[in-house]
Amino acid sequence: EVQLVDSGGGLVQPGRSLRLSCTTSGFSFGDYAVSWFRQAPGKGLEWVGLIRSKAHGGTAEYAASVKGRFTISRDDSKSVAYLQMNSLNTEDTAVYYCTANDDLYWGQGTLVTVSS
Amino acid sequence: DIVMTQSPDSLAVSLGERATINCKSSQSVLYRSNNKNKLAWYQQKSGQPPKLLIYWASTRESGVPDRFSGSGSGTDFTLTISSLQAEDVAVYYCQQYYTVPRTFGQGTKVEIK
Repeated sequence: EVQLVDSGGGLVQPGRSLRLSCTTSGFSFGDYAVSWFRQAPGKGLEWVGLIRSKAHGGTAEYAASVKGRFTISRDDSKSVAYLQMNSLNTEDTAVYYCTANDDLYWGQGTLVTVSS
Repeated sequence: DIVMTQSPDSLAVSLGERATINCKSSQSVLYRSNNKNKLAWYQQKSGQPPKLLIYWASTRESGVPDRFSGSGSGTDFTLTISSLQAEDVAVYYCQQYYTVPRTFGQGTKVEIK
């Protein structure tokens, strides 16, 4: 069974950092790109970024709204992807989801609240 | 960026009647390697993560009732619920996974009339 478990969310003050994890099982994690999405309260879905598989260079792309502040990485040996979020602001408050396999697989989401 | 535009923004349909949601992309999402469209439909109920309904524009995800169907190609796509049930009340999104940034339609809220 394919599983993606998002974790690491919580309450954080503006300007601080947080790292989210996407722990996966049930599929060949290393073969797929992983994306992160987010959904602010009452809003639609927004793509945050993506990291390609090693076979496709392992490079990452980011939405303009997070470029330079967020970094996506992956550990294929553990089947885990990470979203390092720095310089957080209140507009980053959202539920964050990881996905894989052209977004066919989704995690359940983890809530990040940025507030003083 | 590929802009995804859904219509209508909201829809009220009687139980058992057909619901149709349209999605238009600003450029083609046809993946030439397999001649399929990289277009997905999601259902999101309040407080829940998005649930994949349809991918490759018309392939129903395992376990999704057959009253849900997707059609279209190139830049114009449709999600049809053939006979609306009470449990189908939700917001529906189309998404292109053809390129980055991945983009979604603004969502269509489906309610019971």
